[in-house]
Amino acid sequence: SSELTQDPAVSVALGQTVRITCQGDNFRTFYATWYQQKPGQAPTLVMYGNNDRPSGIPDRFSGSISRDSASLTITGAQPEDESDYYCTSRDSSGNHVVFGGGTRLTVL
Amino acid sequence: QGQLVESGGGVVQPGGSLRLSCAASGLTFSTYAMHWVRQAPGKGLEWVAVISYDGSRKFYADSVKGRFTISRDNSRNTLYLQMNSLRTEDTAVYYCARPYCGGDCGSHTFDHWGQGSLVTVSS
Repeated sequence: SSELTQDPAVSVALGQTVRITCQGDNFRTFYATWYQQKPGQAPTLVMYGNNDRPSGIPDRFSGSISRDSASLTITGAQPEDESDYYCTSRDSSGNHVVFGGGTRLTVL
Repeated sequence: QGQLVESGGGVVQPGGSLRLSCAASGLTFSTYAMHWVRQAPGKGLEWVAVISYDGSRKFYADSVKGRFTISRDNSRNTLYLQMNSLRTEDTAVYYCARPYCGGDCGSHTFDHWGQGSLVTVSS
């Protein structure tokens, strides 16, 4: 099955812009979805279909995709954005879901 | 908004069995595929299994194939995960999750998650 690779940790100064990336060749066929997870909580959906935000997710969150990577960008990071972020997609068969290893975002 | 509530977790010895349940309320269940996702302590998310809305198709991660069985009872709005031949590496919080679209949409976008049920495999 295909793998998705994320940087383990990223930091950003308060109010600045940060991009969280996810590398893999899955995105040639399948879209990316992003989840946010805070300690002790279940994941929550923050981005899907490459650049669609669920209701309630601030518009400072945006998504993009290229041939072999997907990105989640936070423009003007806030303290509450400090979380773990996971990308996900499908493997080449389309039958299995694949998660990236996760990126821990620290807002300084 | 609806919710998913997992139950059935606990402590089990290596080689043992456990069955998890996920009860859906206040949201449509019977026309949606359902997934199990797990998270080992301090680790990332790992997809476990999926079952189609009618139960006719099931797929598993290689790490659990042949040991775990996913099933559902649409009359009870409940999803199950039967876990046999448990190993220490199966220790994790197990989440059930529902995609945002129904039928055979094949989505990996989960807009509903349960709170998780902890399974600990230890002697």
